[in-house]
Amino acid sequence: GAVVSQHPSRVICKSGTSVKIECRSLDFQATTMFWYRQFPKQSLMLMATSNEGSKATYEQGVEKDKFLINHASLTLSTLTVTSAHPEDSSFYICSARRRQGVAYNEQFFGPGTRLTVL
Amino acid sequence: AQSVTQPDIHITVSEGASLELRCNYSYGATPYLFWYVQSPGQGLQLLLKYFSGDTLVQGIKGFEAEFKRSQSSFNLRKPSVHWSDAAEYFCAVGATSGTYKYIFGTGTRLKVLA
Repeated sequence: GAVVSQHPSRVICKSGTSVKIECRSLDFQATTMFWYRQFPKQSLMLMATSNEGSKATYEQGVEKDKFLINHASLTLSTLTVTSAHPEDSSFYICSARRRQGVAYNEQFFGPGTRLTVL
Repeated sequence: AQSVTQPDIHITVSEGASLELRCNYSYGATPYLFWYVQSPGQGLQLLLKYFSGDTLVQGIKGFEAEFKRSQSSFNLRKPSVHWSDAAEYFCAVGATSGTYKYIFGTGTRLKVLA
């Protein structure tokens, strides 16, 4: 149990376009979902935390108008990179935390989405 | 605020040698602690975790880690490294309340010599 998927796994887009990445908890309900960004050969940096039905909380330095997060249901969160530019090229990873029960205090990670902006 | 330090950016060991990767944390109480491994271009794989109880934690792939409160450390160990262990290793500190947010260390890249 506790499987998290991301779609797409890879995306290439042109500069100035918007890209949406989906994160789904497949076999559990997620109270909270997290979005991380990882530049090549660097660590994961938490971008934002989202709770179902409420606005996301962004980490300092992350542009909320640039990275739109929607957590519309207990199993789905989306990250939209608006007006993407080459510097937004990165590996985006989501994670989800169970609503209740076993391992409620642990995050389960998706496989990541590689975004390349040309 | 929570923080985590992995002092070694790169480590090279010979296959069959023992391994220890260091992790030090800062947190107001005993945090949740995790070690993840990441191969190039791949996602994270959880090696082991500590929430409470026995301070020596066994994980997958023959890894173990020991929580030392007095040293604010959670070092990862393996008695005999295999070539397939070459990867990036991340230590993470998890908050014990609120959103249970994680902060990741900068990572240690492990190279294994044949």
